[in-house]
Amino acid sequence: EDKVVQSPLSLVVHEGDTVTLNCSYEVTNFRSLLWYKQEKKAPTFLFMLTSSGIEKKSGRLSSILDKKELFSILNITATQTGDSAIYLCAVNNAGNNRKLIWGLGTSLAVNP
Amino acid sequence: NAGVTQTPKFQVLKTGQSMTLQCAQDMNHEYMSWYRQDPGMGLRLIHYSVGAGITDQGEVPNGYNVSRSTTEDFPLRLLSAAPSQTSVYFCASRATRVSNQPQHFGDGTRLSIL
Repeated sequence: EDKVVQSPLSLVVHEGDTVTLNCSYEVTNFRSLLWYKQEKKAPTFLFMLTSSGIEKKSGRLSSILDKKELFSILNITATQTGDSAIYLCAVNNAGNNRKLIWGLGTSLAVNP
Repeated sequence: NAGVTQTPKFQVLKTGQSMTLQCAQDMNHEYMSWYRQDPGMGLRLIHYSVGAGITDQGEVPNGYNVSRSTTEDFPLRLLSAAPSQTSVYFCASRATRVSNQPQHFGDGTRLSIL
């Protein structure tokens, strides 16, 4: 059965720390992996990764995919309280291209 | 652009009542979907649509109906509400039926069934 596992489930850090969130997957016919940030309301799109080893970067956030070891990491440097959110990982299965397989998310709390 | 708009934001129902959660998008997206989000369960797909007039079931379709008469609107109907349907519901859309694109989410409807 296809699955996406995120770790850790929750994390508490201080402002300025660097954090690494993990997403591993077992999916047949992998197509892409997506990261979303969910604050109080809707998940908002961060990155989509399709190729191994190519880093996607947006400000203090970056992400990379390893298709051999079947995982992705999301890095946040110099964390701020505004980074507090749930970070969701989802994988597209090309064999079932009408749905995403979602992880349970990592809840990140950044304390001042 | 408003993006994906969901109404209502909050709703309390009694067991057995019916209601419709509204979802509209103004991006001319082909693909629309409904999820429910529950603690410890993540996002689960209820129903989806790849275009006007076409709908299909997701992982947890029982107790819900959908229709897609226009590209813009994708309402979700609870036929006879049950406490197990207490959840946060998200509507999402993406440009085409091709899955390799990010989805855009509405702000959610928090539904409580007493």
